[in-house]
Amino acid sequence: EAGVTQFPSHSVIEKGQTVTLRCDPISGHDNLYWYRRVMGKEIKFLLHFVKESKQDESGMPNNRFLAERTGGTYSTLKVQPAELEDSGVYFCASSRNSYEQYFGPGTRLTVT
Amino acid sequence: QKEVEQNSGPLSVPEGAIASLNCTYSDRGSQSFFWYRQYSGKSPELIMFIYSNGDKEDGRFTAQLNKASQYVSLLIRDSQPSDSATYLCAVLAYNAGNMLTFGGGTRLMVKP
Repeated sequence: EAGVTQFPSHSVIEKGQTVTLRCDPISGHDNLYWYRRVMGKEIKFLLHFVKESKQDESGMPNNRFLAERTGGTYSTLKVQPAELEDSGVYFCASSRNSYEQYFGPGTRLTVT
Repeated sequence: QKEVEQNSGPLSVPEGAIASLNCTYSDRGSQSFFWYRQYSGKSPELIMFIYSNGDKEDGRFTAQLNKASQYVSLLIRDSQPSDSATYLCAVLAYNAGNMLTFGGGTRLMVKP
């Protein structure tokens, strides 16, 4: 069974630019989560999809972040416009049963 | 006070010894507890989960949960240099959605 995949693995952009991160969950996993780890901090929850519906987006920091999961398969997370404080590692996770979450390798985002 | 607390370490143990990793949490509504292992630059890998008070063993790993004391631990027997990694404790409270709340992680170093 293939694991969670994320693209790109690294992204370096300038402040004010737009970046789109992609996550492909494990096949058959209806639950998809986005998390973020900024330098020196804990991994923090951003949002949770069940199939194509946003179940919980309480962790989204502001309206510069937009997540979608059209068709209930892969998900994208867009940051527009990016700010310096958005730098960090963005993890995607998926689960079949909402409990045991399996993480992808992450996208390291650097905003300069 | 952080919601999930871990000693950042490093915790250094000799090869073959038992490594004991500890985690405390503040939300009494927490119901599921997870241990992830993360090698540098890699994804968090789920290695153990526990839902009930007591011990749960899987190979060289034992997870221990004490809900009254709001304490969860991970024991690694016969530690190997390949166990050297950061161990993340994560907690899930169903009344707070399905988001995982992470501690900052404990870095374990197993010396040959």
